[in-house]
Amino acid sequence: AQKITQTQPGMFVQEKEAVTLDCTYDTSDPSYGLFWYKQPSSGEMIFLIYQGSYDQQNATEGRYSLNFQKARKSANLVISASQLGDSAMYFCAMREEGFQKLVFGTGTRLLVSP
Amino acid sequence: GAGVSQSPRYKVAKRGQDVALRCDPISGHVSLFWYQQALGQGPEFLTYFQNEAQLDKSGLPSDRFFAERPEGSVSTLKIQRTQQEDSAVYLCASSLSGSPGNEQFFGPGTRLTVL
Repeated sequence: AQKITQTQPGMFVQEKEAVTLDCTYDTSDPSYGLFWYKQPSSGEMIFLIYQGSYDQQNATEGRYSLNFQKARKSANLVISASQLGDSAMYFCAMREEGFQKLVFGTGTRLLVSP
Repeated sequence: GAGVSQSPRYKVAKRGQDVALRCDPISGHVSLFWYQQALGQGPEFLTYFQNEAQLDKSGLPSDRFFAERPEGSVSTLKIQRTQQEDSAVYLCASSLSGSPGNEQFFGPGTRLTVL
């Protein structure tokens, strides 16, 4: 069964510093996708970054990068040069080949301080 | 272009009432999803449509929950005889196709409170 684990309920970082949000996953399917979403207080889920299980390189999107360690089944999100607007809930999610649904973790609340 | 829209944004219902939640996906998006997000939790899958066909409804918690997408665009999630445990944010998402790499775009959600 698909499972996503986010062990950090909350993280604090100072503006302009980098922060890593942890995500581990469990699946027996060799083909899957991993996603990170940001949910600000307004409630809307905003897609940040995607990593396919067969992708050779770690995904990057602007200040976001995904540290994908397949053998360890981890897909940590790295945010560089944090900004005040990065304060939000962050969810890691997975989708297995053959399934359309996303399975989400419980999220990490990030607070960026000036 | 316009994103996913949902209405109403907030709904208060008395226990036992029926409610209907609407989702307008991004134009041209084939796949449509409903998720339920309880307070302090991640979203949980309810059901999935490809065009007008409901291909997966394994996440619907009971037969009081019903979803439809009759013309392959707008979708309605209906909850009959609401209970307090139905209080949650209901998120709708759409994607261009069902391929694994296609990200899902989410609407702002409908916050349902059952008194």
